[in-house]
Parts: sequence; structure tokens; C-alpha cells
Amino acid sequence: DQQVKQNSPSLSVQEGRISILNCDYTNSMFDYFLWYKKYPAEGPTFLISISSIKDKNEDGRFTVFLNKSAKHLSLHIVPSQPGDSAVYFCAASGLQGAQKLVFGQGTRLTINP
Amino acid sequence: NAGVTQTPKFQVLKTGQSMTLQCAQDMNHNSMYWYRQDPGMGLRLIYYSASEGTTDKGEVPNGYNVSRLNKREFSLRLESAAPSQTSVYFCASTLQGGELFFGEGSRLTVL
Repeated sequence: DQQVKQNSPSLSVQEGRISILNCDYTNSMFDYFLWYKKYPAEGPTFLISISSIKDKNEDGRFTVFLNKSAKHLSLHIVPSQPGDSAVYFCAASGLQGAQKLVFGQGTRLTINP
Repeated sequence: NAGVTQTPKFQVLKTGQSMTLQCAQDMNHNSMYWYRQDPGMGLRLIYYSASEGTTDKGEVPNGYNVSRLNKREFSLRLESAAPSQTSVYFCASTLQGGELFFGEGSRLTVL
């Protein structure tokens, strides 16, 4: 049973526009959420996180929104740049922290010039 | 700093062969992890070690064994490789939960 789901395998966005990546989760015990970015032939790298006590966290061009009632989070990238082309994974954990980090399937984002 | 280093980066095995993936981190992290990445499946946790001297099963432990050799090193062993273990394997570490630091990955093909 997939506890963290990214229903869009791919997304294509024009350079300069907003990219919105979505993630849904089913386990109400999750209280910490992260986004990772992965380039080909590299390991995932941490991008941004949010705790369940917040509904928004911002870091430069990246903003993560959390809707606990809908069990949904999204990552907004504004403005999108060609270097943002990568696979993005959302991940969630509960009280046990990273020991139980659960990842979604990933969304491949392509930024077109 | 090298961060998290995995070896080998590529390996081809025949069914039934054994091999060990090595992982070392130089960030003085307490916890280390092994994940596998398969198309459409995301990253799935195989085993983790919350601290030196402890190891625990993750989501997909069958067919694997691990050893936390010391605080720096965490190895993953396939005793009898199967085609279903063809995957990209990632080692990761963290100081005390939350953000994970990943290695570059090891691509394993089992024929």
C-alpha cells in the first residue's frame, strides 16, 4: 500500500512560469514532510521541508504548502529555471523521524526554454 | 568533504552470485540507511541503522543482510542475487533524523 503518492509521473513547464508538484499521503501519523530533487546519475538532495505545525514554508524560489485535512502537500517553484529539470520526490515521516521516511514515486519535471 | 561514498557504482551479477555494496560517510552521522530505487516505485527502505551497533529492517528487507561495521561504514550484502534485485541502490545518512544525505548510487544488474 503506497502511503505517499505522487500521481503525476511527469510535468512539463515553460521557463519563467510556476511549477506545481503535488503529493498525497494516507497515514495521519505523518508529521514531517520533505522534498528531494534528483538529477540523473546522482543521489537525491534535500530541497525543503515542512512540519505539520505549519501550513507553508518558503525558501527562495521554493515554497511547500501543507493541507493536513486533505492530506496533501505541494511544492511551488517560481520562477522555473532550466536547472530545475529533475525528478522530485516527496517524503514523509512520523514520530520516529527519518527511520521511517517514506517516499513517493517521484515526478519528472522538465523546464522548457 | 566527500559526504556519502558508495562502491561499486556499477555491478553485473549472475543469478545466485553474492556481493557486498559498501557505504561510508565522513559527516559523523549516527544513522545510516540503504534504499533501492525502481521505476514507478520511488525509494524504498531496505535496512537502516539508527546508531552504531544496531540494525533494523525497512520496507523490503528480504534477500539482503547488512552490517554496521563502525560509525562510518554500513554495508549491504546480497547472499544469492536474483533478477528482482536489479535496481539502483542508495546509501544515506543523517545526524538525528529529518534530512537525509545520499550517496551517488550503485547500479546493480542481475542476469
